[in-house]
Amino acid sequence: EPEVTQTPSHQVTQMGQEVILRCVPISNHLYFYWYRQILGQKVEFLVSFYNNEISEKSEIFDDQFSVERPDGSNFTLKIRSTKLEDSAMYFCASHPSGSIDYEQYFGPGTRLTVT
Amino acid sequence: QKEVEQNSGPLSVPEGAIASLNCTYSDRVSQSFFWYRQYSGKSPELIMSIYSNGDKEDGRFTAQLNKASQYVSLLIRDSQPSDSATYLCAVGTYKYIFGTGTRLKVLA
Repeated sequence: EPEVTQTPSHQVTQMGQEVILRCVPISNHLYFYWYRQILGQKVEFLVSFYNNEISEKSEIFDDQFSVERPDGSNFTLKIRSTKLEDSAMYFCASHPSGSIDYEQYFGPGTRLTVT
Repeated sequence: QKEVEQNSGPLSVPEGAIASLNCTYSDRVSQSFFWYRQYSGKSPELIMSIYSNGDKEDGRFTAQLNKASQYVSLLIRDSQPSDSATYLCAVGTYKYIFGTGTRLKVLA
């Protein structure tokens, strides 16, 4: 069964460093998302991406964040200058063309630890 | 601010019993509702979606939606210890708003 994959599973970085989190969505899906979950808190929407552009972003997704689909399979989240409060699980999700079905399928996540 | 509310629990039920999980949402025009299961340290796993008022059944799971009351619920029949997890309610079409989740413990 097709699934969303994410790499790395765990990333440790120092404050101020840039990180890139990678995702491979399910191959026939057209909508892509990033969410994050700080330990013990709710899953929060960061950004949605469709047709090679951002369709919506949250207040969390400030100028330090960017997303890209560099080729036909990868979808990346870049944090330019990490802060301690960026430490969280980051989940990528995708769903197919959304005419009747809006079910999102989540990847296993990347645990980002900023020290 | 759109909100999705869930009782954080834990909700403890004996093995074989019915677990009932509830969720309310604030955005009256919401059209799409989802239940996810999340084991500790893992990602959300889709259980069910529901879009219309009424009940939707899938195996041991039944989702119930009442848009007039802005309420969605999940029933788990014949609960098993492996059902012990946090259940997340999500509302939205392209952007999900999640609740904080209800922790379910099924006691063997």
